[in-house]
Amino acid sequence: AQKITQTQPGMFVQEKEAVTLDCTYDTSDQSYGLFWYKQPSSGEMIFLIYQGSYDEQNATEGRYSLNFQKARKSANLVISASQLGDSAMYFCAMRGKGLTGGGNKLTFGTGTQLKVEL
Amino acid sequence: NAGVTQTPKFRILKIGQSMTLQCTQDMNHNYMYWYRQDPGMGLKLIYYSVGAGITDKGEVPNGYNVSRSTTEDFPLRLELAAPSQTSVYFCASSPTSGRDEAFFGQGTRLTVV
Repeated sequence: AQKITQTQPGMFVQEKEAVTLDCTYDTSDQSYGLFWYKQPSSGEMIFLIYQGSYDEQNATEGRYSLNFQKARKSANLVISASQLGDSAMYFCAMRGKGLTGGGNKLTFGTGTQLKVEL
Repeated sequence: NAGVTQTPKFRILKIGQSMTLQCTQDMNHNYMYWYRQDPGMGLKLIYYSVGAGITDKGEVPNGYNVSRSTTEDFPLRLELAAPSQTSVYFCASSPTSGRDEAFFGQGTRLTVV
């Protein structure tokens, strides 16, 4: 079984500051992928960043970086220089092995609502 | 680039009615998923498929059925709709390997009254 935990239901950050959104995961798989998605109020799901379990370096995509600590099973998202348009719900997700053993289930956390203030 | 296409975008259903939510992807992805998202909540996996002819249950499969006769299509069937199935439904697909991010459809907002 696999599980994603996001313990921050809501976060506030001032414009231009950095913010860290927490994500911890649990899996018995050796190989897995970690993802972050953004969901603005319009409802679509926007892919932000990916980290493979065997990647030695932390992933970065523009203002997004993933602080991957494998031993602690955490995959925190760091957004630098926050902008008003970053206000949205953010979901952490993980893909590991499905129950059948032959496929990969993509599991999501409960999300963190981020509000960027002036 | 169509990506993942879901139809309909909105639907109101009466208790006990049935309907099929359509999902099609044109990226030749093997993996496809159906999620539901209740207001203010995360995404819960209903069913998923790792290829044509293969489907498996997710966290909340009761009240739903799926089929995967082709790589492109993954319809979700609701039998005997109940108010508890009022939700936003997302279909997603992903490739098999590499940076295998999931691509999402725009969602279907379903209300059961």
